[in-house]
Amino acid sequence: AQKVTQAQTEISVVEKEDVTLDCVYETRDTTYYLFWYKQPPSGELVFLIRRNSFDEQNEISGRYSWNFQKSTSSFNFTITASQVVDSAVYFCALSEAETGANSKLTFGKGITLSVRP
Amino acid sequence: DAGVTQSPTHLIKTRGQQVTLRCSPKSGHDTVSWYQQALGQGPQFIFQYYEEEERQRGNFPDRFSGHQFPNYSSELNVNALLLGDSALYLCASSQDRGLVWTDTQYFGPGTRLTVL
Repeated sequence: AQKVTQAQTEISVVEKEDVTLDCVYETRDTTYYLFWYKQPPSGELVFLIRRNSFDEQNEISGRYSWNFQKSTSSFNFTITASQVVDSAVYFCALSEAETGANSKLTFGKGITLSVRP
Repeated sequence: DAGVTQSPTHLIKTRGQQVTLRCSPKSGHDTVSWYQQALGQGPQFIFQYYEEEERQRGNFPDRFSGHQFPNYSSELNVNALLLGDSALYLCASSQDRGLVWTDTQYFGPGTRLTVL
């Protein structure tokens, strides 16, 4: 069965600091997909980044970067030069390929990030 | 390009009642998934609709049912409401690209259901 663990529950940083959010996943599939979503107080889940298990390189998108390590089943997400608007709950999610196209997302419990001015 | 929309925004019901929540997918998307998010928790998968049929289902009782219409919009119905059904209900849409490829799911703003 698939599982996502976000061990950090709350993180507080000062604006302009870098912050890394940790995610550890469990799956028996060889092909799977990992996602990070952001949930501001309004409640809507906003898609941030996606990583396919078969992709080769870690990437950077603006202030966001991610580190995918198959050997440790980790998919960590870093925000560089954090801003107050980054304050939200961040969810890591996993989807397995073997259960079919557009398979369900399994979410972690989320990390509450507070960025202080 | 309109995103995923949901209605209503908020809903208050009493135990034993029935409720219907609605979702319109993002333009170009044909697959709708529903999730329940209890306070302080991550979203839990309820079920997914594709081609007007339930394709996948999570660990939710039969009191939770759904429907997808020819225009790809969807409804979530919950019968015999319990206090524990109080949650944020999120709808997500995606596009089926065949085989086992998983498209990114985009979420709507949610419906906050309170059961008294």
